[in-house]
Amino acid sequence: ETGVTQTPRHLVMGMTNKKSLKCEQHLGHNAMYWYKQSAKKPLELMFVYNFKEQTENNSVPSRFSPECPNSSHLFLHLHTLQPEDSALYLCASSQGPGQGGETQYFGPGTRLLVL
Amino acid sequence: RKEVEQDPGPFNVPEGATVAFNCTYSNSASQSFFWYRQDCRKEPKLLMSVYSSGNEDGRFTAQLNRASQYISLLIRDSKLSDSATYLCVVNDYGQNFVFGPGTRLSVLP
Repeated sequence: ETGVTQTPRHLVMGMTNKKSLKCEQHLGHNAMYWYKQSAKKPLELMFVYNFKEQTENNSVPSRFSPECPNSSHLFLHLHTLQPEDSALYLCASSQGPGQGGETQYFGPGTRLLVL
Repeated sequence: RKEVEQDPGPFNVPEGATVAFNCTYSNSASQSFFWYRQDCRKEPKLLMSVYSSGNEDGRFTAQLNRASQYISLLIRDSKLSDSATYLCVVNDYGQNFVFGPGTRLSVLP
């Protein structure tokens, strides 16, 4: 299935590095999401974008910086991360509020390891 | 208090068994409810939405009790392919989706 793609699939970075995660959806959706899934913890919603505008930021540290240039693409820029930021980062999309569908379609995720 | 709680599991059941999962949520104003399944090292995928009147999709039945803030998922005639983690998801407000910790199911031959 290629509805939502994410790159890279795996990433190892040092605490002083800067890297970016990319998400692309091919479903014609208007809403995109970033989630964090750590071991033994529930998925945590990080950011929500509707029609390229950020509508939710769930108290995410500023070392995570999202960017949504258009409705099909979503980035997560990472800088000066901590080892506890190691997790699976999942991107999702949905039709958006008032669009008749709240079903979220997830990408395969980027597995991040911070050393 | 956690916002969405689920049976801790894991559930180990034989093929053909019926198994039920429970989920409770803390925000009485929550608007919509879902069950997702997540296979090991894969992304979550929607299993079914949960409607106030209850709904059924083949071997799967979901129920919602708004008064008790409780959601359930019943799987009949379990298959080996049902082995996965089942995630209860609550739409708190707007697009704030809150995931439960999941209940792991292993269906044994």
